[in-house]
Amino acid sequence: KAGVTQTPRYLIKTRGQQVTLSCSPISGHRSVSWYQQTPGQGLQFLFEYFSETQRNKGNFPGRFSGRQFSNSRSEMNVSTLELGDSALYLCASSLAGGPQETQYFGPGTRLLVL
Amino acid sequence: DAKTTQPNSMESNEEEPVHLPCNHSTISGTDYIHWYRQLPSQGPEYVIHGLTSNVNNRMASLAIAEDRKSSTLILHRATLRDAAVYYCILRAPPNFGNEKLTFGTGTRLTIIP
Repeated sequence: KAGVTQTPRYLIKTRGQQVTLSCSPISGHRSVSWYQQTPGQGLQFLFEYFSETQRNKGNFPGRFSGRQFSNSRSEMNVSTLELGDSALYLCASSLAGGPQETQYFGPGTRLLVL
Repeated sequence: DAKTTQPNSMESNEEEPVHLPCNHSTISGTDYIHWYRQLPSQGPEYVIHGLTSNVNNRMASLAIAEDRKSSTLILHRATLRDAAVYYCILRAPPNFGNEKLTFGTGTRLTIIP
């Protein structure tokens, strides 16, 4: 079974631009979560989507948004990029997203904002 | 909200057991304790999780204190491939639509050949 895939793997943008990241979950998984990882803040939860609906949300500004499609693939969008948005963005999928479930992470998209 | 505390780094000799601690003194009764590890340039990888009882799987064991305020991840025989950053994470059921997620800062485990 194929794992979680994320595209692109690396991205360079400039301040003020917007970016869209993509995540394809494991086949059959309906929950997709997004995380931001930085050296200073560590792992931080962005949001979770289940059946095309945002079910949970972390403490990030509205510039961070996402969506999920009927095939469970998910996209994350960051508008008006800031230097502090430079990070590794991780996507994780699970069957239904319960707290007792295992999450399977993708390799991440490394975003550099100049 | 629950918080977790982990040592920043630990070292262990190859083929020796490793005990990685995590303190979560404000854990709620419904919080699951998860452990993930992250190798360089990779996404986190699931290791083990539990709620109240100790758990074993092919990768590791999880020992949960009776009061659940701390837990220990046990690698029985460390290999060089176990060198990674280990994260202790608490996950609670959704409360009013928001699942609580609490991450530790991670412990960087170095294995000495």
